[in-house]
Amino acid sequence: GESVGLHLPTLSVQEGDNSIINCAYSNSASDYFIWYKQESGKGPQFIIDIRSNMDKRQGQRVTVLLNKTVKHLSLQIAATQPGDSAVYFCAERVDSSYKLIFGSGTRLLVRP
Amino acid sequence: DTEVTQTPKHLVMGMTNKKSLKCEQHMGHRAMYWYKQKAKKPPELMFVYSYEKLSINESVPSRFSPECPNSSLLNLHLHALQPEDSALYLCASSQEDWRGTEAFFGQGTRLTVV
Repeated sequence: GESVGLHLPTLSVQEGDNSIINCAYSNSASDYFIWYKQESGKGPQFIIDIRSNMDKRQGQRVTVLLNKTVKHLSLQIAATQPGDSAVYFCAERVDSSYKLIFGSGTRLLVRP
Repeated sequence: DTEVTQTPKHLVMGMTNKKSLKCEQHMGHRAMYWYKQKAKKPPELMFVYSYEKLSINESVPSRFSPECPNSSLLNLHLHALQPEDSALYLCASSQEDWRGTEAFFGQGTRLTVV
């Protein structure tokens, strides 16, 4: 299940289940979105991106969905593995600029 | 080579010290970024350089001074920092395509101000 801690919400899933991580973005002018994975002590690592003229994009085991009407982004991870345990951030590029702004993040814990 | 290299990995400095963080990429990217990340928080944008010119400064205090000597290098000069400036400092780079491309991140410099 999902819990909201003091700073970082946590999603706990069983290994092999599908995970869904949600993100609300703030700027209607944002036209490009990225999901990053950050493991402890490391920099953010690119997972998948989507442009604002799309509503769905699939990668290997991951799918990103974009709902511009409610300014919502989600990351679906199929058959979640222990190596998927990390903090996941969505990021939005504002107004076709270099300004890349990160959302608050969700910690994913995978139970064996 | 899809790597952004940051040095040093760890840095401890006093409030009166002057130090510099370094970042290097050889992907031909013409946009480079500095972010600051506190524990359990998302990275916060500090500066963006585009074609070696400062493009975005997110109202960062002047005790942080960025420099882009050439298209592959980005420095962050630190002077008279405060303990609350202790954080993970991340460098990133991206292509200059206005349609949007992902930013590649380095592993960060863990800075402690004492």
